[in-house]
Amino acid sequence: DTGVSQNPRHKITKRGQNVTFRCDPISEHNRLYWYRQTLGQGPEFLTYFQNEAQLEKSRLLSDRFSAERPKGSFSTLEIQRTEQGDSAMYLCASSTRGPEAFFGQGTRLTVV
Amino acid sequence: AQRVTQPEKLLSVFKGAPVELKCNYSYSGSPELFWYVQYSRQRLQLLLRHISRESIKGFTADLNKGETSFHLKKPFAQEEDSAMYYCALRLGGGSNYKLTFGKGTLLTVNP
Repeated sequence: DTGVSQNPRHKITKRGQNVTFRCDPISEHNRLYWYRQTLGQGPEFLTYFQNEAQLEKSRLLSDRFSAERPKGSFSTLEIQRTEQGDSAMYLCASSTRGPEAFFGQGTRLTVV
Repeated sequence: AQRVTQPEKLLSVFKGAPVELKCNYSYSGSPELFWYVQYSRQRLQLLLRHISRESIKGFTADLNKGETSFHLKKPFAQEEDSAMYYCALRLGGGSNYKLTFGKGTLLTVNP
């Protein structure tokens, strides 16, 4: 599968623990997005990278969240001191110049 | 603030019947509208966008700026059209194609 890859697919963690998710975009895509999707909602924008530069962050991205994209390749999203409200599907998408975003299958986080 | 509204959470039709999934938006600028689809156990994927004005899998959508709508239509629904459909709005310009999504409509096409 040469599409966007996200790992892990599922993560269960205890409240207060830190978690990190990884996204591998399609190789030639320089734009990378993170979205969060909770039950019954559409995806909500979290942050955007162009190459290695993080160009925009949503207000949804509290201080406990940090995202990186070293060398403009894969990206990581870390959540520190997880809370139950962080339980959601975290989606990564990548694109080139055009508007079509290619989504990964997501990482489902459950905070217990 | 920009908003995308999909009034129907669930829509059920019979095979061969016409289908229309509603989408309304609020945005003061010139929007770009998209429909994304997610089939069971698959990832979210682009179905169509208003700029291209094309028909994909028999679906069409027309941007109506007066009514601020971008409804998705298909004259004869097929069982394989059963999926979750999201309307999305792209804001602004430049290189950032971040999207604002509606809550989605689950379409079920019955045999």
